[in-house]
Amino acid sequence: SQTIHQWPATLVQPVGSPLSLECTVEGTSNPNLYWYRQAAGRGLQLLFYSIGIDQISSEVPQNLSASRPQDRQFILSSKKLLLSDSGFYLCAWAQTGVVLHFGNGTRLTVT
Amino acid sequence: ELKVEQNPLFLSMQEGKNYTIYCNYSTTSDRLYWYRQDPGKSLESLFVLLSNGAVKQEGRLMASLDTKARLSTLHITAAVHDLSATYFCAVGTSGSRLTFGEGTQLTVNP
Repeated sequence: SQTIHQWPATLVQPVGSPLSLECTVEGTSNPNLYWYRQAAGRGLQLLFYSIGIDQISSEVPQNLSASRPQDRQFILSSKKLLLSDSGFYLCAWAQTGVVLHFGNGTRLTVT
Repeated sequence: ELKVEQNPLFLSMQEGKNYTIYCNYSTTSDRLYWYRQDPGKSLESLFVLLSNGAVKQEGRLMASLDTKARLSTLHITAAVHDLSATYFCAVGTSGSRLTFGEGTQLTVNP
């Protein structure tokens, strides 16, 4: 069966510090991978999605970047965090046209 | 730009009552998803609706899709406290992307 791992679960970082969130999927190959952000417990905003290695689309211009160094690994990064980067970050995977499966999320607080 | 609107955004109901959550979307799509989120947790898939007229039921929840009206509904029958959560609808677009509604925060009171 397929599983998705996302870490860390919580993170507190000062403004201006770098960020690296990691997500890996097991039990499937060539999945579509996604990073979403949820602010204040409300709607989800799609940040990045990837249909393959080195194929990443950015949905919203911002202080973040994403990379996919391996087929089942998706990384969200920032060089310098802003207060507005605080939120709940969710990684997800899907096979084309089917259900999106979410990881457990990372709660990021920028202080 | 695709817009997905849910209503109501907040719903407080008594146990045993019935209610419907509505999800309207602005452009053509043949994929509609419903997710549940408990406080502080990730999202759990409830239903996937892939065609006009599709209806799916699981326990006290039933979801339907009308692609012509661009409307999906999530009907709650005889609510129980365990159904308290935030419910999201999401519409599928190109590239397997999903656009989410703002969510409906449901509280079921004894």
